[in-house]
Amino acid sequence: DAGITQSPRHKVTETGTPVTLRCHQTENHRYMYWYRQDPGHGLRLIHYSYGVKDTDKGEVSDGYSVSRSKTEDFLLTLESATSSQTSVYFCAISEGRDTQYFGPGTRLTVL
Amino acid sequence: KQEVTQIPAALSVPEGENLVLNCSFTDSAIYNLQWFRQDPGKGLTSLLLIQSSQREQTSGRLNASLDKSSGRSTLYIAASQPGDSATYLCAITTSGTYKYIFGTGTRLKVLA
Repeated sequence: DAGITQSPRHKVTETGTPVTLRCHQTENHRYMYWYRQDPGHGLRLIHYSYGVKDTDKGEVSDGYSVSRSKTEDFLLTLESATSSQTSVYFCAISEGRDTQYFGPGTRLTVL
Repeated sequence: KQEVTQIPAALSVPEGENLVLNCSFTDSAIYNLQWFRQDPGKGLTSLLLIQSSQREQTSGRLNASLDKSSGRSTLYIAASQPGDSATYLCAITTSGTYKYIFGTGTRLKVLA
């Protein structure tokens, strides 16, 4: 299995609070991705990174920001969480347009 | 806009049956297509990746085919087993981007 960890694995928070999710890889892959998975919508790309400090938006980026200061870490921040951001969040890595490897996911509940 | 569709959304089959899962995409200008498996409460695991220049890929009891001109890919599972029960998703990338677009998946249940 690819070395990808996500933290925390579960989080319950309240509307309006900031939340940061962390993705850590040990594979030295260039590309890192954040997705959310919701019933009926499948996986949707939030943001992705193609190198340290290089990021781009996905299809559902509103309300989310990301940062990548080191190759191995990709952070997803919800500046002010809303109930619509309750979801399961997955991090993935790849080398170019190659096989994607996924982390175990973070289940976030916003009350 | 590229869209990826998987039909049916759910499928139940008896053990031992050969089965086919479908993935359709609207724009044939893809770079590659990937099939994943997802077990409940888990992340996705890559099964097969087909480059746009390839017609099929095989791994054990799994065979994935790609027909770019018709915008279709199929995942063939031979001699299905209860352990194959999971959700299967396909995803495509297109030239000029490193973004992946996913289908909504087919939830497979293989009955013992």
